[in-house]
Amino acid sequence: SYELTQPPSVSVSPGQTARITCSGDALPKQFAYWYQQKPGQAPVLVIYKDSERPSGIPERFSGSSSGTTVTLTISGVQAEDEADYYCQSADSSGTYPDWVFGGGTKLTVL
Amino acid sequence: EVQLVESGGGLVQPGGSLRLSCAASGFTFSSYWMSWVRQAPGKGLEWVANIKEDGSEKYYVDSVKGRFTISRDNAKNSLYLQMNSLRAEDTAVYYCARGDLWFGELWGFDYWGQGTLVTVSS
Repeated sequence: SYELTQPPSVSVSPGQTARITCSGDALPKQFAYWYQQKPGQAPVLVIYKDSERPSGIPERFSGSSSGTTVTLTISGVQAEDEADYYCQSADSSGTYPDWVFGGGTKLTVL
Repeated sequence: EVQLVESGGGLVQPGGSLRLSCAASGFTFSSYWMSWVRQAPGKGLEWVANIKEDGSEKYYVDSVKGRFTISRDNAKNSLYLQMNSLRAEDTAVYYCARGDLWFGELWGFDYWGQGTLVTVSS
């Protein structure tokens, strides 16, 4: 089945730039979504369609795509950005469509 | 304001059944795909099932096919997940989520409920 691969953890100091990658063979043909999840809370959509930002999400969150890798970039990281981040995409290449999440990346703000 | 409120979780024995509900408000429920996504304790997110706006299409992750049934009642703005033959590995927080449709295809999930915990244990 289709898989999305993320690094388990990323650490940055406040004010620096955090980059979280997500790799998958079908990503050149599929949109990627990114979700932020803080402990004990539901996921929140922070990027959709590779690089679009929902209303209410700070401008420091951005997304990009290059080949089989999509990247979530958080510029000027703040302490409140410490959370788990999940990429997600859809795969329609099989008999039935499938919606897949990456394993998640824990962002630590040092 | 979009709101999704899940209910129906609890402790159930292996082999048992449970029905989850999700009450939607703040948007035209009948115009959106809806989904269930789960998260086992300390683990990542896993998509479980999707249902089309009118209920005519349903999709499931392989591990729940034949055991879980997703349904909806557009008159009641409600989404359901009937879970039968439950296993220990079904233990998770189950989230209701609204589908994000682009170019006629469901790509992701734009709003999520707070989740309801299902524990399968003897």
